[in-house]
Amino acid sequence: EVQLLESGGGLVQPGGSLRLSCAASGFTFNIYAMSWVRQAPGKGLEWVSAISGSGGSTYYADSVMGRFTISRDNSNNTLYLQMNSLRDEDTAVYYCATMTSVEEIDYWGQGTLVTVSS
Amino acid sequence: QTVVTQEPSLTVSPGGTVTLTCASSTGAVTSGYYPNWFQQKPGQAPRALIYSTSKKHSWTPARFSGSLLGGKAALTLSGVQPEDEAEYYCLLYYGAVWVFGGGTKLTVL
Repeated sequence: EVQLLESGGGLVQPGGSLRLSCAASGFTFNIYAMSWVRQAPGKGLEWVSAISGSGGSTYYADSVMGRFTISRDNSNNTLYLQMNSLRDEDTAVYYCATMTSVEEIDYWGQGTLVTVSS
Repeated sequence: QTVVTQEPSLTVSPGGTVTLTCASSTGAVTSGYYPNWFQQKPGQAPRALIYSTSKKHSWTPARFSGSLLGGKAALTLSGVQPEDEAEYYCLLYYGAVWVFGGGTKLTVL
């Protein structure tokens, strides 16, 4: 059974940093690309970032380019999102999700809440 | 700034059929955008329904189908059930960037 467990969310001040983790199990982690998707309170879904199975290719939405860094540790089956220079508008539930290919986002975690506020 | 547009809300009767659409500000949606569809119920994580325009996941109920319709991606629900009341999101691929639509709130009434 595929399981994705996000952690690392919390309250942070504007301009601060936070690192999210997504622990994966139940599948061969290193052959799946992975994505981060966020959802601001009461709003829709927003794709944030993606990374290839090897970690050699990374992709970002314009809204986070230069501030967020996606990475993965295939030896520990864990996906990360390093978030720097956080803004109020980054407040959201952050989900990690598996990507079988560019065609397909399939399994989702339950999300972790990030609140950016002074 | 690429915008993906969905109907904000739709209402359907139980047992009826409804089609949700997904349009791109860049022009006609084709199979090369690999449309995905997701269902989200309040307080839950999204659940994948359709990928690559019309392909179903192993858990996708048979009443859900995906297609291209009039230059848009489309999700059709046939024989709607009360439990289908939810928010539905489409996702399009723009070559290393993915963009979600704003979502359609489907009410079953």
